[in-house]
Amino acid sequence: EVQLLESGGGLVQPGGSLRLSCAASGFTFSSYAMSWVRQAPGKGLEWVSVISGSADSTYYADSVKGRFTISRDNSKNTLYLQMNSLRAEDTAIYYCATRDYDCSSASCLYYFDFWGQGTLVTVSS
Amino acid sequence: EIVLTQSPATLSLSPGERATLSCRASQSVSRYLAWYQQKPGQAPRLLIYGASNRATGIPARFSGSGSGTDFTLTISSLEPEDFAVYYCQQRSDWPPGPLTFGGGTKVEIK
Repeated sequence: EVQLLESGGGLVQPGGSLRLSCAASGFTFSSYAMSWVRQAPGKGLEWVSVISGSADSTYYADSVKGRFTISRDNSKNTLYLQMNSLRAEDTAIYYCATRDYDCSSASCLYYFDFWGQGTLVTVSS
Repeated sequence: EIVLTQSPATLSLSPGERATLSCRASQSVSRYLAWYQQKPGQAPRLLIYGASNRATGIPARFSGSGSGTDFTLTISSLEPEDFAVYYCQQRSDWPPGPLTFGGGTKVEIK
């Protein structure tokens, strides 16, 4: 059974940093591209970033480019999102997500079958 | 960036009724469109991909149609568990074009 478990959320001041983690189990992690999707409180969904299975390819939404860095440790079956220079508008639940078949290339991760339960990031002074 | 506009924002219906949700793209996305359902406090669930293909385990009362710029999600007969928020999502120009979601339609009990 595929399981994705996010952690690392919390309260941070504007301009601060935070690193989110997503622990994966139930599938061959290195064979799957992974994404982060966020949702501001009471708002819709926003795709944030994607990384290929081998970590050789990454893409970002314009809203986070240059501030966020996606990475992964395939030996630990864990996905990360390093968030720097945080702004109030980054306040959201952050989900990690992937597909339901071997999809190693970032380009094939364009629909999301599996989602974690999310971790809340609040940026406020 | 392709913008997806969903309508209506809220749909008030009774169990057993038919629900028709619309998603319009600012430019053609071919059939590269998905639909998700989200209930309060839960992560989204993929319902439809490729405009009309049901995801694994999705009941047959959910169907998707459309191509180009106009898409529809139909729930043929609403069950109590179907009252939720529904989002469309497109993947045209991916990558590196961003994946984008519509603003959502809330299906509420009348």
